[in-house]
Amino acid sequence: QKEVEQNSGPLSVPEGAIASLNCTYSDRGSQSFFWYRQYSGKSPELIMFIYSNGDKEDGRFTAQLNKASQYVSLLIRDSQPSDSATYLCAVRGGNNRLAFGKGNQVVVIP
Amino acid sequence: DTAVSQTPKYLVTQMGNDKSIKCEQNLGHDTMYWYKQDSKKFLKIMFSYNNKELIINETVPNRFSPKSPDKAHLNLHINSLELGDSAVYFCASSPDRTGVVEKLFFGSGTQLSVL
Repeated sequence: QKEVEQNSGPLSVPEGAIASLNCTYSDRGSQSFFWYRQYSGKSPELIMFIYSNGDKEDGRFTAQLNKASQYVSLLIRDSQPSDSATYLCAVRGGNNRLAFGKGNQVVVIP
Repeated sequence: DTAVSQTPKYLVTQMGNDKSIKCEQNLGHDTMYWYKQDSKKFLKIMFSYNNKELIINETVPNRFSPKSPDKAHLNLHINSLELGDSAVYFCASSPDRTGVVEKLFFGSGTQLSVL
């Protein structure tokens, strides 16, 4: 089982809709959870981090964490064409190493 | 005022050659990393240095050798390049003085193509 798994396949959403991305992790000792956005040909940049169970909102982004079920999700409200990118889930495990998922490509259709 | 800068941005070379990628950060961070991103976008850690000391050394061929002359620099030297080394290599830094990795600041990446 991979340390961090993200759903495969690009996600196409109409402009203005909500994009929902999910990520599961295998290490129950994981402490911190991150979402990075990576535009094509660019480097990843951190957009959200969450440490505690529940929701964390930042502008149009909401991160949700459920440690019991070992998943973390990212919601993008009012999706814009500029949100079209690959979103990488990253988890800091009990070994203090940051493991990345393979990413989810989001395509926002105008 | 670039935070994490790495050079070169593109590197095209023949199999068997030796090449180096340089990385510098001006953020005052204590920890630096090398990540490899393959064609499927999977980002995997290779090495991590904290204040010039190697703290993470993943299962990477011995042909890859990191060097940190000071905490602001982390270079990557690759010997006897192979086709499978083709990827994007990202340098990153993190202000994790406590040893707890948190936010990563990435360089712009080096696209390595081995022919």
